[in-house]
Amino acid sequence: AQTVTQSQPEMSVQEAETVTLSCTYDTSENNYYLFWYKQPPSRQMILVIRQEAYKQQNATENRFSVNFQKAAKSFSLKISDSQLGDTAMYFCAGSRANRKLIWGLGTSLAVNP
Amino acid sequence: DGGITQSPKYLFRKEGQNVTLSCEQNLNHDAMYWYRQDPGQGLRLIYYSQIVNDFQKGDIAEGYSVSREKKESFPLTVTSAQKNPTAFYLCASTAGTSGTYNEQFFGPGTRLTVL
Repeated sequence: AQTVTQSQPEMSVQEAETVTLSCTYDTSENNYYLFWYKQPPSRQMILVIRQEAYKQQNATENRFSVNFQKAAKSFSLKISDSQLGDTAMYFCAGSRANRKLIWGLGTSLAVNP
Repeated sequence: DGGITQSPKYLFRKEGQNVTLSCEQNLNHDAMYWYRQDPGQGLRLIYYSQIVNDFQKGDIAEGYSVSREKKESFPLTVTSAQKNPTAFYLCASTAGTSGTYNEQFFGPGTRLTVL
């Protein structure tokens, strides 16, 4: 069975600072994919970043980067230079190749001016 | 513009009534999914379809039904058997059916309230 755990229900950060959101993904599979999705107040779900488990290099998308520690089953999201528009729910999710996604419960992030 | 549309945005239902939520995509994606989102519970999979005329139950299929007669459409019916249907419903799609990963694209959602 696969499980995704987000241990931080709520977080806050000051504008322009850096924040890290935690996620653990427990699976016995060797080939899988991990994702961070963002859901702003509009409730539109948006993919932020994804990581293939077989890749050693951590994924980066502009101000968003991940720290993937495969042995520790850890998949954290770092947001640099936080902006007010980053205020949202952030969901971690994992899947095997094109199988259904397993979702964490989410972390509510507030960026304060 | 390519994307996923869901309608209506808000839906009100009286107890005992069936209602159908629409999901249409023009991305030419093969797979489509329905999720239910409740506060504090993340996203839970209701049904998914990897190909036209075929669909599988997700984790919380009881009280729901779907059809996939066309590639671009995947309507969800919330039946009177669903005991607590008030929730936010999200539809998603992906391009592939097997092999490599494909990103899930989401519609804007439908908020269903039972009166």
